[in-house]
This record gives sequence, structure tokens and C-alpha cells, in this order.
Amino acid sequence: NAGVTQTPKFQVLKTGQSMTLQCAQDMNHNSMYWYRQDPGMGLRLIYYSASEGTTDKGEVPNGYNVSRLNKREFSLRLESAAPSQTSVYFCASTVGRVQSYGYTFGSGTRLTVV
Amino acid sequence: SQQGEEDPQALSIQEGENATMNCSYKTSINNLQWYRQNSGRGLVHLILIRSNEREKHSGRLRVTLDTSKKSSSLLITASRAADTASYFCATDARDDKIIFGKGTRLHILP
Repeated sequence: NAGVTQTPKFQVLKTGQSMTLQCAQDMNHNSMYWYRQDPGMGLRLIYYSASEGTTDKGEVPNGYNVSRLNKREFSLRLESAAPSQTSVYFCASTVGRVQSYGYTFGSGTRLTVV
Repeated sequence: SQQGEEDPQALSIQEGENATMNCSYKTSINNLQWYRQNSGRGLVHLILIRSNEREKHSGRLRVTLDTSKKSSSLLITASRAADTASYFCATDARDDKIIFGKGTRLHILP
């Protein structure tokens, strides 16, 4: 099925553990994004990749790293998880300028850090 | 940075009724977008309206844009149980990004 695929769907980590959230899209989109969604805070941009080979910080990048592995895949890594990173994480992609085309979102990863 | 702000925060209506939610923003925009998020799912892009458009339709959805008032409305006609979701507006921000509001939670009562 065409779209944005995120894995895993659920994850529980202990404080200090590391993990990588995976995202892949099969729509040949150029730009990919990672957001986190918290109650009362809306969606906040963590990192984005405007094109293959480039990555840039968003609004809340601290504690995260990203890798644009190829045009299809964009991963988000938590090196040392903290309870404040408990959230729902969404990957999104767009074919061109997001202001002109809008996002296609994945179904999310619900992460709990204990 | 500017942000779209949805109103009301929550809305409950009977199935079959129309639902209207609003979005206000602070500075001039080129485009405004509406998204839907069903519980436990990702956001789905519903409609994009450009600053030179006043109204746009997609199925049971009608979006209006009033640039003089810096506001937009989303009307869902003949609501169904499946319309129960959160609805977000997203407005242009600098550096070619968009910013989401905090959403309106719509609950359709049987």
C-alpha cells in the first residue's frame, strides 16, 4: 500500500536506553519530517530532510538525531531516552513544498519512557 | 511564529447535523490546510485553500477563508459517526514550513 510506514507502532523504553524509529515512504517524495505530538502541545517539528542527503533541525531537536538513509527512508534516533520524550511520534512526507502540497503522515509510534 | 488556533476546542453534535469549526491566525498566509486525525492514527490531509480562494468544497466538506479577518472555517455537513476525530488547521510559517493548531475534538453522538 502506498504511503508512509512507521515502525514500531509501540515501544516502552527505560530511561537511558537508545532506540531508532524507522520511517519509509514509497511515493517518491523529496521531503520527510519527524514530529512529536503531546497533549495540549499540538504537533512539534523535531527534524526534517528537504531532500536526500540533507537534514535540518526543527523546533524541538534536543535529544534526537536523524538519518536520511536514502530517498525512501528517514530514521529518528534517541541516544539516551528520557521520560520527557514520552510522546507519539509521526513521520510525514511531501512531494514538494509542504505549504503547497501538504503532508502525508504515517500512523505513528507511541513511545513510553519509564 | 504564527499559529492557527482552532475554535471550539471540543464539539459534540448529533449524527446528521452539521459541524462547524474555525481557525484564526495572526499574519498573512499564502495557503491554509485542514487535517483530520482519528483516535490513535496519523493526520490525514483534507483540503488546502489558497489565499486567493474564498471557498472550497470536497465531498461533505466546505472550507472558507476570509483573509481580511484572518480566519477560516471548516463545515462538515450531514455528520456521521466516522467523522468523530480531531481536526487541525495548519498555516504557513517561515522557512517554507507549516504550523499546526492544537485542534478541535469533534464527537458525533448516535
